[in-house]
This record gives sequence, C-alpha cells and structure tokens, in this order.
Amino acid sequence: DIQMTQSPSSLSASVGDRVTITCRASQSISDYLNWYQQKPGKAPNLLIYAASNLQSGVPSRFSGSGSGTDFTLTISSLQPEDFATYYCQQTYSTPLAFGPGTKVDIK
Amino acid sequence: QITLKESGPTLVKPTQTLTLTCTISGFSLSTNGVGVGWIRQPPGKAPEWLALIYWDDDRRYSPSLKTRLTITKDSSKNQVVLTMTNMDPVDTATYFCAHRPVHYSSHFDQWGQGTLVTVSS
Repeated sequence: DIQMTQSPSSLSASVGDRVTITCRASQSISDYLNWYQQKPGKAPNLLIYAASNLQSGVPSRFSGSGSGTDFTLTISSLQPEDFATYYCQQTYSTPLAFGPGTKVDIK
Repeated sequence: QITLKESGPTLVKPTQTLTLTCTISGFSLSTNGVGVGWIRQPPGKAPEWLALIYWDDDRRYSPSLKTRLTITKDSSKNQVVLTMTNMDPVDTATYFCAHRPVHYSSHFDQWGQGTLVTVSS
C-alpha cells in the first residue's frame, strides 16, 4: 500500500499570508495526487486534481504542483474562508489513501 | 448539477451488518468512465477510502476491509449500496459517497453530505 504523509500537521497563519502544505507519497505516484479542503461538519471539497489542475469554481489563489513522490499545495493569499483542514489523496493505486491532514488556523 | 445523498441507519449494534444507500442525480451510473466511491471518516480523523464501483460494474475495495465490504449499483434506481458486515465500535464514523468523474486520475469531485453511523450496544 502507498502511504501518504503531510507537513506540517498544523499551522497558524494570518489573512494575506502565503501558505504552503507538503504531501509526500511512499513511492512514485506520477501525478495521481488530489487536494481537498474540509471544514467542520462538512464533506471534503475538491480543490486540485491530478497534482496541478484547479477544480472548477475553486479560487485561483489555490495551486498545486509536484510529481513522483513530492507535492505541494499553495494558497497565495490566505482568506478568512480558507481556515480549514487540507488533505492530499493518492489515486495511483488502491487503496486510494488520504494523508493525515494539515489544519490551518488563525494566528 | 450532480448530487449524492447517503441514507441508512444512524445506530447499529456490534456484529450487525450495515447497509448504506447512496442516491445520485445529475449523472448516470451507466456513463462510460463514471464511478461512485464510499469514504468514511471517524470523528477527528482523516478520511478513509472504502470502495469504488465503476460504470462497467468493476469494483475495488480497501484491502484491509475487503472481506467485510460489498458495493453494488442499480443504475435504474440511480443508487449505489454499500454493505459492511460484523460492525464494531471502531467503525463509528461519518460515511460519505462521492462521484468519480470521467478522468484518468480517479478523484472525487462531488460528495454527499455524509451520514454519521454509531456502533454501540
């Protein structure tokens, strides 16, 4: 099974900050990497698919990059509605594993 | 507009079998490339993928739960059903179904609201 790790596990940031979250796979997954945002009591919401493709309706301040084993989600200018938990997910092979999450809260 | 909605019991007893139904709209389970997956999330933890069924009835399961899971679809009723046998308190979680679009990357672009299932005697 492919294992996913994320760093940091949590971070505190201010509105307007540039935020970067890293996801690492235990083996190469090409670009089969997706990012989700989740707010309390809600379902995960797809932000980025196939490593760098912005899902329709998602603000352009979100971007994704990487391939192989190392991936990054960047929020260029953090907005109040971005305080949430972020998960990466590999879909290269089953089981389709999620990372442990990165919680972004207000500094 | 794609929507999915989970339904099923909110409380099950240990050793019982859980049956959850995902009712879909806005897409067809017969469309080439489409799939529906089930994902669960214990309180305060990360999501865990459980199963995925494709338009052609191909099925994939989490290896750690494979012996307990069955996923089926009824395209005429626009429903996908997940059964999980021998429920245990550690299976307490919110269970989501989600749409897998026609794309090589198998991401989930639309999710149901989720249903919380508690396992307790």
